[in-house]
Amino acid sequence: KAGVTQTPRYLIKTRGQQVTLSCSPISGHRSVSWYQQTPGQGLQFLFEYFSETQRNKGNFPGRFSGRQFSNSRSEMNVSTLELGDSALYLCASSPTDGDEQFFGPGTRLTVL
Amino acid sequence: AQSVAQPEDQVNVAEGNPLTVKCTYSVSGNPYLFWYVQYPNRGLQFLLKYITGDNLVKGSYGFEAEFNKSQTSFHLKKPSALVSDSALYFCAVRVLGGSYIPTFGRGTSLIVHP
Repeated sequence: KAGVTQTPRYLIKTRGQQVTLSCSPISGHRSVSWYQQTPGQGLQFLFEYFSETQRNKGNFPGRFSGRQFSNSRSEMNVSTLELGDSALYLCASSPTDGDEQFFGPGTRLTVL
Repeated sequence: AQSVAQPEDQVNVAEGNPLTVKCTYSVSGNPYLFWYVQYPNRGLQFLLKYITGDNLVKGSYGFEAEFNKSQTSFHLKKPSALVSDSALYFCAVRVLGGSYIPTFGRGTSLIVHP
């Protein structure tokens, strides 16, 4: 099976812009989660989608949003980018609740 | 609120020696515990998990972890370290039922010296 894929791998934006990141989970996996990874804060949970419904949301401002499509592919959007949004954004999928997660390679976002 | 602590930012060990990467957790309810490894410029890879059953869990690449309920710990161990084990290791906890949000530790950098 193909692994979790994320596009784009690298992105450079300026403050105030918005960005959309894409994630394709492993075939058959219905749960998709998003994380923000930074050297100072470690791995922070953004949100989780299961069968197109947002099931959980982490402690991030409303500028961060996401959605999941019927084929389980997911997108996350960050509006009005700030310098502090520079991070590695990781997507992870799992077949069912409670299972281990399979992570994609991440999207490296740099905000200038 | 649930939390995970990895008390050591970095662990140094000589190749061939045993290694331990520490993890303690705090949850309300029964924990599901995981270890992941991250190599440079790559996503996290699953190593092993504890859900129920035997307290000693064996995983990928010769790693194992011991669940200790009384000490709320889930330390990662390997009998003989390899240079290729050098990476960033994350402990994570999940509690199913109710409001579930996975919590990761801040990571421990393992450096294995030749």
